[in-house]
Amino acid sequence: EIVLTQSPATLSLSPGERATLSCRASQSVSRYLAWYQQKPGQAPRLLIYDASIRATGIPARFSGSGSGTDFTLTISSLEPEDFAVYYCQQRSNFGQGTKLEIK
Amino acid sequence: QITLKESGPTLVKPTQTLTLTCTFSGFSLSTSGVGVGWIRQPPGKALEWLALIYWNDDEHYSPSLKSRLTITKDTSKNQVVLTMTNMDPVDTATYYCAHEPSASSGWSFDYWGLGTLVTVSS
Repeated sequence: EIVLTQSPATLSLSPGERATLSCRASQSVSRYLAWYQQKPGQAPRLLIYDASIRATGIPARFSGSGSGTDFTLTISSLEPEDFAVYYCQQRSNFGQGTKLEIK
Repeated sequence: QITLKESGPTLVKPTQTLTLTCTFSGFSLSTSGVGVGWIRQPPGKALEWLALIYWNDDEHYSPSLKSRLTITKDTSKNQVVLTMTNMDPVDTATYYCAHEPSASSGWSFDYWGLGTLVTVSS
């Protein structure tokens, strides 16, 4: 079974700053990795699939990169509504999440 | 537009079987490539993938829960049902169903239900 490890567990930044979130797979997953955003009390929202393709309606400040075992979600300039928990997923596996909090 | 809604008991006793229904609209599970999956989230914890069924009856299960899970579909009713046997308090979680458009081989979910909280307690 593939294990997805996200880092850091918590990221403290200010609005306007750039956020870089990491997801590492225990073995190669090619480019088949997705990213989700989840706010308290809400269902997850798909941001990125196939490592770098933005889902419908996702702002351009969100971008994904990587292949094989190392993946990155970048938020170019944080908006107040971006502070949330972010998860990566590959098939039947989710990472443990990164909490993006306001500094 | 695509919507999904989970329904089922909010409280189950230990050792009982949980049956959850996902009722959806805006797509058909007879359309090639489409799937519906179940994901859960214990309070304050991470997401956990449970099961996925495709238009062609292809089923996938979490390896760690496979022996306890069954996923079925009723295309005519636009429903997917998940059953989980031998419930335990550690199974207390919000259970989500979600739409898999087969746009990717990574089984990503683009539409989610609001979720239903299931508590396991005697």
